[in-house]
Amino acid sequence: AQKVTQAQTEISVVEKEDVTLDCVYETRDTTYYLFWYKQPPSGELVFLIRRNSFDEQNEISGRYSWNFQKSTSSFNFTITASQVVDSAVYFCALSEAQRGAQKLVFGQGTRLTINP
Amino acid sequence: DGGITQSPKYLFRKEGQNVTLSCEQNLNHDAMYWYRQDPGQGLRLIYYSQIVNDFQKGDIAEGYSVSREKKESFPLTVTSAQKNPTAFYLCASSIERPLNTEAFFGQGTRLTVV
Repeated sequence: AQKVTQAQTEISVVEKEDVTLDCVYETRDTTYYLFWYKQPPSGELVFLIRRNSFDEQNEISGRYSWNFQKSTSSFNFTITASQVVDSAVYFCALSEAQRGAQKLVFGQGTRLTINP
Repeated sequence: DGGITQSPKYLFRKEGQNVTLSCEQNLNHDAMYWYRQDPGQGLRLIYYSQIVNDFQKGDIAEGYSVSREKKESFPLTVTSAQKNPTAFYLCASSIERPLNTEAFFGQGTRLTVV
């Protein structure tokens, strides 16, 4: 069965610090997709990044970067030089090719607070 | 602007009543989804639809019903059979392929049973 675990319930840092959000997943599918979404106080989820299971190259996009390690089933997300506007709940999500469609399985979320 | 509109933002329901949550999108997406979010928990899939006049149960469909008569609309009915309906409900849409495409979310409806 598929499962996503975000062990960090809440994180609080001071502005400009780097912060890493952890995500561990479980799946039996060989083809799967991992996502990070941000949920600001307004409620909607906003897409941040994605990674395919068959592409293990890690990337940086602006202040965001991610570390995908298949060997440990982890997909960690890092915000560099955090800003107050980064405060939100962050969700890691998994979808599997076998399940079809884009049916996401979410982690419990990590509430990130950036203090000025 | 293109996007997903959910209404109402807040909804109060008496026990034993059915209520319908509205979701409309103008992104021309084929696929639409309903998720439920409980405090301190992630989102869980209730129903999804990949095409008009067709929909499938998600992981927690019991006590809910949906319809997809138009591409733009995917209303969710919370029936009296749902034992614990108080939650935050999010509607989403996406193109159907490729499977790694991102979903777009509405701003949600907060349902409270009084």
